[in-house]
Amino acid sequence: DAGVIQSPRHEVTEMGQEVTLRCKPISGHDYLFWYRQTMMRGLELLIYFNNNVPIDDSGMPEDRFSAKMPNASFSTLKIQPSEPRDSAVYFCASSTGEASGSSETQYFGPGTRLLVL
Amino acid sequence: GQQLNQSPQSMFIQEGEDVSMNCTSSSIFNTWLWYKQEPGEGPVLLIALYKAGELTSNGRLTAQFGITRKDSFLNISASIPSDVGIYFCAGRTSNTGKLIFGQGTTLQVKP
Repeated sequence: DAGVIQSPRHEVTEMGQEVTLRCKPISGHDYLFWYRQTMMRGLELLIYFNNNVPIDDSGMPEDRFSAKMPNASFSTLKIQPSEPRDSAVYFCASSTGEASGSSETQYFGPGTRLLVL
Repeated sequence: GQQLNQSPQSMFIQEGEDVSMNCTSSSIFNTWLWYKQEPGEGPVLLIALYKAGELTSNGRLTAQFGITRKDSFLNISASIPSDVGIYFCAGRTSNTGKLIFGQGTTLQVKP
C-alpha cells in the first residue's frame, strides 16, 4: 500500500493568497483526520471525517479554514485568505475505525510544509 | 479541555543507555498510543495500548498503560543512533474519536 499521500509537500505563498492542501487516504480507511503541527502548539486536530462526512470540526481555527471530502479517496483543506500565522506542517491521517482495537490506529501522511510570507 | 503532559521535553543520551519517557493526563483514557516522528516525516505508530495495566513490547521498546488510566510510559532499551527523533504519546477517551497528543519528547543519541 502506498500509505497516506499528501500534496504538495511544500508550499510557499504570500499573505492573502488561497492555499489548498490535498490528501489521499489509505484505501479502505473510512476515517480521515487533518492535523496542524507547530513548535508552539504541537500536534492539533483540526477536523475529522467518517465516511466522507465531517464529524468534528471544533479544532478548525476560524472561518478562513475549510475542509471537504467529496469521496472516499480524496480530501482537501483550504485556507482563504492565508496569513503568516498559518505557517505550519499540516498532516493528514487515516484509519479504519473508531472503536477500540488495532483497527483504529491512525496512519499519518508525510505532511505539507506551509510557509505564508 | 483535555491535556496531556509529556516529559521530559528533551533528552540527550549516550548510545547504549536506556530511555524512559511518560505522559500524564487529567482525564481517563481508554487508549494510549506512542508515535515516533523523524525529521521531514509524519508520526509513525510504535505501540498501541488498550487496557489498564497492559504492558506491550515492540523490539527494544516497551510501553505500559497505567492502572489509573491517566498515564503511560515508554521505555527504550539499549538506545542506538537511529532512535533519534521526537516521540509523542497520544490518548483517546471513550466518548470521542479524537486523539489528544502530548507535546513530544525529543531524543538525541550520541554514538
